Amino acid sequence: GQSLEQPSEVTAVEGAIVQINCTYQTSGFYGLSWYQQHDGGAPTFLSYNALDGLEETGRFSSFLSRSDSYGYLLLQELQMKDSASYFCAVSLYSYYGGATNKLIFGTGTLLAVQP
Amino acid sequence: EAGVVQSPRYKIIEKKQPVAFWCNPISGHNTLYWYRQNLGQGPELLIRYENEEAVDDSQLPKDRFSAERLKGVDSTLKIQPAELGDSAVYLCASSPPAGDTQYFGPGTRLTVL
Repeated sequence: GQSLEQPSEVTAVEGAIVQINCTYQTSGFYGLSWYQQHDGGAPTFLSYNALDGLEETGRFSSFLSRSDSYGYLLLQELQMKDSASYFCAVSLYSYYGGATNKLIFGTGTLLAVQP
Repeated sequence: EAGVVQSPRYKIIEKKQPVAFWCNPISGHNTLYWYRQNLGQGPELLIRYENEEAVDDSQLPKDRFSAERLKGVDSTLKIQPAELGDSAVYLCASSPPAGDTQYFGPGTRLTVL
């Protein structure tokens, strides 16, 4: 089966740095994505890693270690608007090569940013 | 560019009633997904379409759920009859050809009483 683990909640203060971890157990792992979802809103794509290492997109960075089945999302210079749920999601290999379009989501981490 | 459009945004029905959700994906996106998201959980895939073809419906409860994507654009997800446990947010997403990123709509929040 497939499983992903994330902390259920994280609290941090404005201007700080926070790291949200994700460990996964999947067969046919291809890549790891991160999505943000504000309360009552749509999940929004943040970042994607198919190879080991760090991907940086503005204040957000994502890291992947395939050998450890582990990744994290790093949020810098936290702002109040970053308060949301963050989901890691794995994509799987396609039988025909490359990635399938199927995402398996974790249960999400609720980030609360305090003033 | 318009995003993924879903309607209705909210729906309240009594158990055993039918309900339908509609999704219009981003123009040019050939892949369309329906997800169900329970409170405090991540989205779970129900069905995935490549153009008109349902290529993955392994998680769709086929005894009461059905979906269609006529002409490979808009899609409808139906539940008949609805059960109390179907209360959730139903999300539609789309992705472009050869694209990994999925773009989600705002969802339909279904409450079954």
